[in-house]
Amino acid sequence: DVKVTQSSRYLVKRTGEKVFLECVQDMDHENMFWYRQDPGLGLRLIYFSYDVKMKEKGDIPEGYSVSREKKERFSLILESASTNQTSMYLCASSLPPPFARGLGEKLFFGSGTQLSVL
Amino acid sequence: SQQGEEDPQALSIQEGENATMNCSYKTSINNLQWYRQNSGRGLVHLILIRSNEREKHSGRLRVTLDTSKKSSSLLITASRAADTASYFCATDAVRGSNYKLTFGKGTLLTVNP
Repeated sequence: DVKVTQSSRYLVKRTGEKVFLECVQDMDHENMFWYRQDPGLGLRLIYFSYDVKMKEKGDIPEGYSVSREKKERFSLILESASTNQTSMYLCASSLPPPFARGLGEKLFFGSGTQLSVL
Repeated sequence: SQQGEEDPQALSIQEGENATMNCSYKTSINNLQWYRQNSGRGLVHLILIRSNEREKHSGRLRVTLDTSKKSSSLLITASRAADTASYFCATDAVRGSNYKLTFGKGTLLTVNP
């Protein structure tokens, strides 16, 4: 069974702390994504990666960085956590479109990490 | 950025009834996907429909796509209490040779037993 695993289900951190959110997938997917989900705002893309050591900014990258040293692992880093980063964080992975743009592949999601910054 | 917008925001029905959710988007797409999310969990892929398709079925799910109106609908027939969840549409936005999805805000479906 395919799996995307997020290291923590719930996390509580203090303002100013450096926070690492880890995500591991076992499907050998090239693409990995970090979204945050807030009530009334839906899912917003923070960063995505299409290969090891490759990354691209999503729609709301400010205050975040990412690391992809191995194909199966994609980390989201909050350099100095702030209260407005309290949110549900969702990791996902997918295969790239086969041979042509836009054919699309479905995303596989982890269960999410509910982060509270106090 | 292009984004799917679901309608209604919330829907409450009785078990056995059909549920219809709509999604509108702003720019041309290559495909549209529907996802489901149980409370406090990750999203699960339901169905993908390509821009050259008009209708697709999967079990009790029926998805339509009208590219001229830039809209899609998800129909769940003979609903069950277990269908209670949030439903999201997602549209593609190809960047370079890679692939990115943009999600709407979702429709919260409640199926009452």
